[in-house]
Amino acid sequence: AQRVTQPEKLLSVFKGAPVELKCNYSYSGSPELFWYVQYSRQRLQLLLRHISRESIKGFTADLNKGETSFHLKKPFAQEEDSAMYYCALSALGTGTASKLTFGTGTRLQVTL
Amino acid sequence: DTGVSQDPRHKITKRGQNVTFRCDPISEHNRLYWYRQTLGQGPEFLTYFQNEAQLEKSRLLSDRFSAERPKGSFSTLEIQRTEQGDSAMYLCASTTVTGELFFGEGSRLTVL
Repeated sequence: AQRVTQPEKLLSVFKGAPVELKCNYSYSGSPELFWYVQYSRQRLQLLLRHISRESIKGFTADLNKGETSFHLKKPFAQEEDSAMYYCALSALGTGTASKLTFGTGTRLQVTL
Repeated sequence: DTGVSQDPRHKITKRGQNVTFRCDPISEHNRLYWYRQTLGQGPEFLTYFQNEAQLEKSRLLSDRFSAERPKGSFSTLEIQRTEQGDSAMYLCASTTVTGELFFGEGSRLTVL
């Protein structure tokens, strides 16, 4: 079975402070990990995926198979980063790469 | 807007009534997914189509739920004899083989 855990419902940081949104997963096979974001009054959208190894809007995430984690990080938080963030997992190479298992989400609140 | 569109955006119904939601995917996308999101949870996979074929259904889908994609374009999700536990946001998403899901804004169901 696949499981994604986001231990924090809410993370509040000051503008300019570093951000780390935690994500741990449980999966017996080879996973593909994603971060999705939902800004206020907008639809859910992809932020980044681990296989592309890109930095999007200053965010990065590294897949740590030993710790089964995929934490999302940004060195300096901006007000526009305030949103709901979901970590998600799919089974790599099964042909159903978009059947995602989501975590419960973490709301990031960036304050002045 | 050429994104995924869903209709209606909000449906209020009485327990025991039937409801139907429609999803129009991005035109060149051959995969279409339905997810359900309840308060405080991440989206949960319900079912998906490749063209008109329904390839997988979640255990979450009871016999009261049925989904179709008759011509491989739009899809409908019908819930018969609604129960209060069916109250949720129903999300549709579409994709190509690259696996990036594009979500609609969702259809919120309230069962009284």
